[in-house]
Amino acid sequence: NAGVTQTPKFRILKIGQSMTLQCTQDMNHNYMYWYRQDPGMGLKLIYYSVGAGITDKGEVPNGYNVSRSTTEDFPLRLELAAPSQTSVYFCASSDRAQETQYFGPGTRLLVL
Amino acid sequence: GDSVTQMEGPVTLSEEAFLTINCTYTATGYPSLFWYVQYPGEGLQLLLKATKADDKGSNKGFEATYRKETTSFHLEKGSVQVSDSAVYFCALLLNTDKLIFGTGTRLQVFP
Repeated sequence: NAGVTQTPKFRILKIGQSMTLQCTQDMNHNYMYWYRQDPGMGLKLIYYSVGAGITDKGEVPNGYNVSRSTTEDFPLRLELAAPSQTSVYFCASSDRAQETQYFGPGTRLLVL
Repeated sequence: GDSVTQMEGPVTLSEEAFLTINCTYTATGYPSLFWYVQYPGEGLQLLLKATKADDKGSNKGFEATYRKETTSFHLEKGSVQVSDSAVYFCALLLNTDKLIFGTGTRLQVFP
């Protein structure tokens, strides 16, 4: 099993550009999450999904959008990149709400 | 609100030293508690967890006991190795879908 995979690993964006961070899991998990990790900080939840077609905001959703058309995929969209979105982004999945979350390797994003 | 507080790092130790990383929490209910580890360049991995008071989670020589009376979940290991160098995150999970993380503690172990 590949687990949770994320692409790209690293990306540089110019202010105002848009991009989609991809996340795929092959564990048939219902729950998926997007976090951002800023230097010296813990992880902050951006969006999460409890199943295909259902998404909800986390702690820091502004500037991001998500969709969940399939169980496997949970892409994160940045429409107008800003320097404040420079961060490392982690996708995670879990079978149920109270179960262990499995994390992808992360995407490092730099907005200049 | 609900939160997790961890000791600031970095924690620097020699190989075979005893490790303690403190973690305390504030929660309105009865959370499950977790320690995640992040090795350089990788995502987070679950290290151990405890789901109720007095439970002890353990894995790879690491232990943590869920102390409701002190709202703590301190991570300990009797003899650290260089390969334990990583960032350790304490986290709690309430009756919601969301993990709440501490800020992480970097551990550096030297030979």
